[in-house]
Amino acid sequence: EDQVTQSPEALRLQEGESSSLNCSYTVSGLRGLFWYRQDPGKGPEFLFTLYSAGEEKEKERLKATLTKKESFLHITAPKPEDSATYLCAVQVQGGSEKLVFGKGTKLTVNP
Amino acid sequence: GAVVSQHPSRVICKSGTSVKIECRSLDFQATTMFWYRQFPKKSLMLMATSNEGSKATYEQGVEKDKFLINHASLTLSTLTVTSAHPEDSSFYICSARDYVGGGYEQYFGPGTRLTVT
Repeated sequence: EDQVTQSPEALRLQEGESSSLNCSYTVSGLRGLFWYRQDPGKGPEFLFTLYSAGEEKEKERLKATLTKKESFLHITAPKPEDSATYLCAVQVQGGSEKLVFGKGTKLTVNP
Repeated sequence: GAVVSQHPSRVICKSGTSVKIECRSLDFQATTMFWYRQFPKKSLMLMATSNEGSKATYEQGVEKDKFLINHASLTLSTLTVTSAHPEDSSFYICSARDYVGGGYEQYFGPGTRLTVT
């Protein structure tokens, strides 16, 4: 069974304190790995898609990396507005377009 | 990025009535849309895949007669919750697939909060 596990469940940082969120996955074949940001009461906002091990993508203070078993979302010098739940999802090879989501990491950045 | 809208954002209905939720891709055409359900402090659970011009594909355990999906055009999919009950209260989110930079991306709508009284 395809599984996505995110850790930690919750993370509190001080403004400017860099850290990383982890997404480990067990799938029959990876087609793509997605990172989303979700604010309370809102739909997920697309951040990145990674397709192959070794790939990296950056956007402002966020950087996503991918290995054959996990992905990291690195947050550099976070600000309070980065507070949100970060979701990781995988798309599995085999024709289906569906995404399998992890439970997310709730990030709180204190000023 | 691509924009997906949902309407309504919030709806309260009485038990036994039906509710329709619309999902629209605003600046791109989407042959495939997806409907998710999210419980408080839980992740997204895929309910069904909606394909333009054909029947939706439902995930295991999702009642197709209760959650009716119609993909009427390349920019509109609807989810109708029939004979709603309090246990159907949830946050429903749709997404649409767009071809970007050599691959498909999924963009999500803002969600619809359904409360059944």
